[in-house]
Amino acid sequence: AQSVTQPDIHITVSEGASLELRCNYSYGATPYLFWYVQSPGQGLQLLLKYFSGDTLVQGIKGFEAEFKRSQSSFNLRKPSVHWSDAAEYFCAVALYGQNFVFGPGTRLSVLP
Amino acid sequence: DAGVIQSPRHEVTEMGQEVTLRCKPISGHNSLFWYRQTMMRGLELLIYFNNNVPIDDSGMPEDRFSAKMPNASFSTLKIQPSEPRDSAVYFCASSLVGGSTDTQYFGPGTRLTVL
Repeated sequence: AQSVTQPDIHITVSEGASLELRCNYSYGATPYLFWYVQSPGQGLQLLLKYFSGDTLVQGIKGFEAEFKRSQSSFNLRKPSVHWSDAAEYFCAVALYGQNFVFGPGTRLSVLP
Repeated sequence: DAGVIQSPRHEVTEMGQEVTLRCKPISGHNSLFWYRQTMMRGLELLIYFNNNVPIDDSGMPEDRFSAKMPNASFSTLKIQPSEPRDSAVYFCASSLVGGSTDTQYFGPGTRLTVL
């Protein structure tokens, strides 16, 4: 069955530490891949997206993600987390001609 | 641009009442999406419009839910009658053309509580 998973429900990191949020998908073909962020009480905002080409994608707010076909993964990374990064992060996938399917989300807490 | 606008931001109603949620997409965007977010089910697509026409309503949970888009700048999601299990945050999103690669811009959401 087609699915997108985010294995970590909640992650806590210290400010200044590095971050990696995991996303795995199970599709017959490589889907289009997205990361969105949802700050408390807000809607979702696109961080970055991958369609093809360079497997390392740069996004806004200092985030990047790497597509690994062999692992069916699209993990989000940031080298140094800021307190303002505390939010919920959603991985989303879409096959050509189809709508988005969002993962369950990972909540990020940042310790001062 | 003001972004996607949703109203009301919060709605508390009693079971059996009609609820109407409103959305104004970003000007010039041709596609509009309604999502529901709950702790149990995450973010689910309810319905998708392209050029004001409903394209995919397979996510609408049941006949109590209906959505309209009378023009390019306005859409409603109606629940009649409402039930406590409808309590959720409802998001509206719009995109330029609605394709699989198109960025969706989300509104701030409407938090619905049905007592």
